[in-house]
Amino acid sequence: GAGVSQSPSNKVTEKGKDVELRCDPISGHTALYWYRQSLGQGLEFLIYFQGNSAPDKSGLPSDRFSAERTGGSVSTLTIQRTQQEDSAVYLCASSLQAGDEQFFGPGTRLTVL
Amino acid sequence: RKEVEQDPGPFNVPEGATVAFNCTYSNSASQSFFWYRQDCRKEPKLLMSVYSSGNEDGRFTAQLNRASQYISLLIRDSKLSDSATYLCVVSPFTGRRALTFGSGTRLQVQP
Repeated sequence: GAGVSQSPSNKVTEKGKDVELRCDPISGHTALYWYRQSLGQGLEFLIYFQGNSAPDKSGLPSDRFSAERTGGSVSTLTIQRTQQEDSAVYLCASSLQAGDEQFFGPGTRLTVL
Repeated sequence: RKEVEQDPGPFNVPEGATVAFNCTYSNSASQSFFWYRQDCRKEPKLLMSVYSSGNEDGRFTAQLNRASQYISLLIRDSKLSDSATYLCVVSPFTGRRALTFGSGTRLQVQP
């Protein structure tokens, strides 16, 4: 069956531009998570969705970051007015229920010039 | 104090060696525990869940010590293909929030 997919796989943008990153979770998975990982660093939790609501947004680094999930499926992470420090790999994961094993997508590598 | 702490390594071991990683967690209410593996420039993938009674999967053995709040992973007869970063992962309690990932321990198995 299909795993978690993310698009685009790579995104290069200029400082100050907005970007949208997309995640398609595994069908039937109710929980969806966004993380980011800078080169050589660990995973940084950003936000978690249960269904379409986000009970935990504590990891979003600033108000330039937002995310939504629709239909209990696809999620979009939006970064407004990108900064160079936003450059990282953005990973999406889904699980059947919160706390279960998470399955990760291949990530979107974001480079802000 | 970090919720999940791991020695970043790297652990450099020869092929065939036995290597052990430990991980400590701060939330005594944690219920679920996992080890994930992440290869260079790839996404993390589940290696194994960790059960209270300990569990083994081939060359890999995971142990949980709730009293001391640590988790261990033992790899026997290391292979070159075991070279990766091993992430310790903890869930606060079922039904809540995302798993909490440690920063990972890097293992390099050398020929």
